Amino acid sequence: DIQVTQSPSTLSASVGDRVTITCRASQSISTWLAWYQQKPGKAPNLLIYKASSLEGGVPSRFSGSGSGTELTLTISSLQPDDFATYYCQQYNSFPYTFGQGTKLEIK
Amino acid sequence: EVQLVESGGGLVQPGGSLRLSCAASGFTFSSYAMSWVRQAPGKGLEWVSAISGSASTTYYADSVKGRFTISRDNSKNMLYLQMSSLGAEDTAVYYCAKRAYMYGYCDSWGQGTLVTVSS
Repeated sequence: DIQVTQSPSTLSASVGDRVTITCRASQSISTWLAWYQQKPGKAPNLLIYKASSLEGGVPSRFSGSGSGTELTLTISSLQPDDFATYYCQQYNSFPYTFGQGTKLEIK
Repeated sequence: EVQLVESGGGLVQPGGSLRLSCAASGFTFSSYAMSWVRQAPGKGLEWVSAISGSASTTYYADSVKGRFTISRDNSKNMLYLQMSSLGAEDTAVYYCAKRAYMYGYCDSWGQGTLVTVSS
């Protein structure tokens, strides 16, 4: 099974900051990675697929990059609505594992 | 508009069984693979199971293999998860999710249904 390690687990930042979250896979997953945002009590919401493709309706301040074993999610200028928990998920091979999550908190 | 509505959650005793259902609408259900993902209270997301559009192929996480069975009824636009030999570690919100066409990520999610395993 492919293990996915997400870091950091918690990130404190301010509105307007640029932040980066990283997912490292235990073996190459090419660009078969998605990023989701989840707010308390709600279902996850797809942000990015295939490592860097923005889902429709997602603000352009969200971007993804990387391939192989190290992939990143960047939020270029944090907005109040962005404070949430973020998860990556590899879909290179079953089981489709998630990262442990990154809680983005207001500093 | 895609809609996924889970049902069937509730309180079940350890060792018991439960069947979750997910009613799908707003898309051609039989054309899309579907997944179940769960989230224990205060924890992260855990992929549980997936099924192809035709139901010919199924996949399971090691943690549920042999205890859970995913199935679908394309004539009713319904997805199911039959769970047995439940333990406290299965307590979670269970989400039904539509997989993107020909890809493994989930582009639509239900609101989730809570399963609590406790005596």
